[in-house]
Amino acid sequence: SQELEQSPQSLIVQEGKNLTINCTSSKTLYGLYWYKQKYGEGLIFLMMLQKGGEEKSHEKITAKLDEKKQQSSLHITASQPSHAGIYLCGAVIPSSGNTPLVFGKGTRLSVIA
Amino acid sequence: DAGITQSPRHKVTETGTPVTLRCHQTENHRYMYWYRQDPGHGLRLIHYSYGVKDTDKGEVSDGYSVSRSKTEDFLLTLESATSSQTSVYFCAIRAPPGGTGELFFGEGSRLTVL
Repeated sequence: SQELEQSPQSLIVQEGKNLTINCTSSKTLYGLYWYKQKYGEGLIFLMMLQKGGEEKSHEKITAKLDEKKQQSSLHITASQPSHAGIYLCGAVIPSSGNTPLVFGKGTRLSVIA
Repeated sequence: DAGITQSPRHKVTETGTPVTLRCHQTENHRYMYWYRQDPGHGLRLIHYSYGVKDTDKGEVSDGYSVSRSKTEDFLLTLESATSSQTSVYFCAIRAPPGGTGELFFGEGSRLTVL
């Protein structure tokens, strides 16, 4: 969906490096979801943010929702090959009509040794 | 893991033939969704259901129909498949209200229309 822009589209990092993926909306977000997809598989839920300024962590992955609730970042510390995959953000944007959850186009992450 | 199974997982068909993809859940969730995933477009919603016999269109519903006669099954039908419908199709169910409301996804059905 063009309502959610993810950047970068793809990312190649060396193992052990930190990285950040961004998800931006022009509209207020009511619930921001981060998913990871391994190549050829389904999507795995990582975490959900709802309140402005909220920050959550799961293992070495931290996600934040900015105060204005229009942008979220996903930060991976000390990347590992197991972090490779496609990361997608999804959000509830009420003005999208009947679309209950829209997604960004995804960020493809490769981690090289 | 959420109990969602999609069938078939892989299908190759010819232009103009009908195709039905099945999504089966064991969670008794009310909301079910069909998305398609394409390079450069990400995930796009095709149709969704908010109960038995209650369905609504998503952003890319043209050429697709759905049916939900039982809580556990949500069928996606391509009446006359076209090459533009070559894609990976994902079914999802939504966690009940009161929780985080995340979607749980099936493993996907890869459809190739020749």
